[in-house]
Amino acid sequence: DVKVTQSSRYLVKRTGEKVFLECVQDMDHENMFWYRQDPGLGLRLIYFSYDVKMKEKGDIPEGYSVSREKKERFSLILESASTNQTSMYLCASSPDGLAGVTDTQYFGPGTRLTVL
Amino acid sequence: KQEVTQIPAALSVPEGENLVLNCSFTDSAIYNLQWFRQDPGKGLTSLLLIQSSQREQTSGRLNASLDKSSGRSTLYIAASQPGDSATYLCAVRSGAQKLVFGQGTRLTINP
Repeated sequence: DVKVTQSSRYLVKRTGEKVFLECVQDMDHENMFWYRQDPGLGLRLIYFSYDVKMKEKGDIPEGYSVSREKKERFSLILESASTNQTSMYLCASSPDGLAGVTDTQYFGPGTRLTVL
Repeated sequence: KQEVTQIPAALSVPEGENLVLNCSFTDSAIYNLQWFRQDPGKGLTSLLLIQSSQREQTSGRLNASLDKSSGRSTLYIAASQPGDSATYLCAVRSGAQKLVFGQGTRLTINP
């Protein structure tokens, strides 16, 4: 079974802190994604990566950056956390190529981040 | 820009009923459409994936259909159970690797 793990289930940070959210997948997937989920707004893509050290902006990248130094690990960074970044953050991975067309994205359990 | 809409936003039915969840999308040029389930405070679990060339997929009591030309999909749940209570999300893949999600239907099955 594909497994996507996220470093924390719940996280509480102060405004202005630098925050790291970590995601690890064990299926050698090329693609990895970070979403945030908010009531009434659904899931929105923040960033995705299609290879090591490669990244592309999603729909709402402002205030976030990412890092992918190893294939299995994709980090989301909040350089200076703000209260409007309080949200549920979901990581996902998927294979590339033909398998990527026929296969789904596999999601982690999510990190509920509260910024005070 | 692809937009995905799910109706209704919430649905409450008695146990044992058959029910249909609806999903519509604005751009018919899609690779596939997927239905996910999300339990409160948890991640998403893939239920069914329909390729653009397919009309439907079935898994147990679940059946998903796709009408690409009209931009619609339905998720049919037969003989609903309290354990089916969750939020159901529809997502389409219409380019690159990205998925576009609807806002979900929150389903409650009453014993």
